[in-house]
Amino acid sequence: GAVVSQHPSRVICKSGTSVKIECRSLDFQATTMFWYRQFPKKSLMLMATSNEGSKATYEQGVEKDKFLINHASLTLSTLTVTSAHPEDSSFYICSAPYVAGYEQYFGPGTRLTVT
Amino acid sequence: GEDVEQSLFLSVREGDSSVINCTYTDSSSTYLYWYKQEPGAGLQLLTYIFSNMDMKQDQRLTVLLNKKDKHLSLRIADTQTGDSAIYFCAESLNAGNMLTFGGGTRLMVKP
Repeated sequence: GAVVSQHPSRVICKSGTSVKIECRSLDFQATTMFWYRQFPKKSLMLMATSNEGSKATYEQGVEKDKFLINHASLTLSTLTVTSAHPEDSSFYICSAPYVAGYEQYFGPGTRLTVT
Repeated sequence: GEDVEQSLFLSVREGDSSVINCTYTDSSSTYLYWYKQEPGAGLQLLTYIFSNMDMKQDQRLTVLLNKKDKHLSLRIADTQTGDSAIYFCAESLNAGNMLTFGGGTRLMVKP
């Protein structure tokens, strides 16, 4: 199947700092990518839809000024967690639709720990 | 609103069949998916089915869809210990749209 990568796979940062997570579609173009958050032993919750060349669409309750999304190219979307707090610690996963959108492939996830 | 539900846990013996069930509420759901997640990893797309289909088979995997009852199931034949993971069902209204996930079913395969 198509490959979606994320970088970094794991990051530890101090409270108040910002962290950037990259999501790349490696062998296909994605005008749309999705960012999800997963708490331990829980399901995935959609945070926002990243749109190439336009502003991201955020789900209700997700602070757009805290979770900055930039879809700079057809293969790259970035999520920046600004002024991170311990409650932002989570597993962040991106996805990208492939082949007319029927198939959606997920990145391997990024484990963020804020100390 | 959209809601997808799964049972939390399933335990089977190696070699048996596993059946993981999922119910959803949105009758407009067009695409239904099954993903596998191993500890600390991302989600692996196992299979998907269109809402106009009743069944889809792919090697050891069989997906059954009862659109009237809004019930989706994933059957894994000859379950192996490597199948132990969390399985998520998900639904989407349109191609390329966001997915709404169920809570996940933890499958444990005993040798």
